[in-house]
Amino acid sequence: GQQVMQIPQYQHVQEGEDFTTYCNSSTTLSNIQWYKQRPGGHPVFLIQLVKSGEVKKQKRLTFQFGEAKKNSSLHITATQTTDVGTYFCAGKTSYDKVIFGPGTSLSVIP
Amino acid sequence: DAGITQSPRHKVTETGTPVTLRCHQTENHRYMYWYRQDPGHGLRLIHYSYGVKDTDKGEVSDGYSVSRSKTEDFLLTLESATSSQTSVYFCAITLGPGREGGYTFGSGTRLTVV
Repeated sequence: GQQVMQIPQYQHVQEGEDFTTYCNSSTTLSNIQWYKQRPGGHPVFLIQLVKSGEVKKQKRLTFQFGEAKKNSSLHITATQTTDVGTYFCAGKTSYDKVIFGPGTSLSVIP
Repeated sequence: DAGITQSPRHKVTETGTPVTLRCHQTENHRYMYWYRQDPGHGLRLIHYSYGVKDTDKGEVSDGYSVSRSKTEDFLLTLESATSSQTSVYFCAITLGPGREGGYTFGSGTRLTVV
């Protein structure tokens, strides 16, 4: 079946270091969304990417959608303790089905 | 997020009992969803609704039913709770396919079946 995978599953970084999580789909996606979930909280929508090769920035966060629309990445520059949480990607297939990845859990060591 | 609330926030129930979780929205969004979140599985869709009395199954619908009699309320019922249904349940709303923006999630219900 259609799958969305994320790597790594866990990432521990020193505060100030950069962080990247990768999202890969087994099928071409019509769009991809990214969410952040703080420990004990609920997922919060961050951004949606639609176009092939699209790059969007939100302050220290950079989101990229691959040329083939089958992969995406989220890069955080100079992590802060406020970045702690789990980052999920969610890919929408051509059948309007949204598939969430399993998430990457980020820990930031002060 | 403002505009979507779930109740109860926590519940402990016994195996075999029926349980109903409630999701209420004030955004007048057409689409509503129930997800469960378990370690290692991310978010998995249980059921969703695309209008009043219009519902459909998600990928993990066995043992669950839903109802939507009003735009603002979407109920999830576990007909006879089992330990495998111990999970965190999230309700979500969207404007619908083709519309800009992602899901807005409720704060979740932590359900424990003993």
